[in-house]
Amino acid sequence: NAGVMQNPRHLVRRRGQEARLRCSPMKGHSHVYWYRQLPEEGLKFMVYLQKENIIDESGMPKERFSAEFPKEGPSILRIQQVVRGDSAAYFCASSPGTSEETQYFGPGTRLLVL
Amino acid sequence: DAKTTQPPSMDCAEGRAANLPCNHSTISGNEYVYWYRQIHSQGPQYIIHGLKNNETNEMASLIITEDRKSSTLILPHATLRDTAVYYCIVRGQYNFNKFYFGSGTKLNVKP
Repeated sequence: NAGVMQNPRHLVRRRGQEARLRCSPMKGHSHVYWYRQLPEEGLKFMVYLQKENIIDESGMPKERFSAEFPKEGPSILRIQQVVRGDSAAYFCASSPGTSEETQYFGPGTRLLVL
Repeated sequence: DAKTTQPPSMDCAEGRAANLPCNHSTISGNEYVYWYRQIHSQGPQYIIHGLKNNETNEMASLIITEDRKSSTLILPHATLRDTAVYYCIVRGQYNFNKFYFGSGTKLNVKP
């Protein structure tokens, strides 16, 4: 039973480019969450999605960041016009969507902006 | 949402029990206590969670005080591979799908 998958594991972008991070939830999970971890800090919630719906995006920066979870395919976290401050580890988690809601995390994507 | 307080670091000898405390004095009646750990910079790993009763699984035990204001995660026989940052999280009552990660406790298991 495969866990949460994220790709790429490492991503290097120059300032001004776009970054696309992908997350495939665990089989049978319909809820996806994105978190960001800056160096030497804890994880910070960004966005919570269900299939084709953004449920809570209160942790997303107002500009340049967007997320989607289409009916088919992985969830995508998109960062436009990246800046050096976007360099971080981005983790995706999924949960089954039952009342218990334990979240299971992927290995993360390390984004480095040059 | 209840906040948690954890010591920044702890040491434990290999083979001994590691007891990691967490204070959550403002926890509400229907909020769960979750524990995760992060080894190096890997993705957080779920360990255990509970509401009121003590819980045990193959990884650890969770002891929650009767007033629910604090809890202790117990790793019964710590190994070097248990060296990690351990996060105690209270699942938000009204934003129950967000997990708030604080600074955690860095557990150093020493030979």
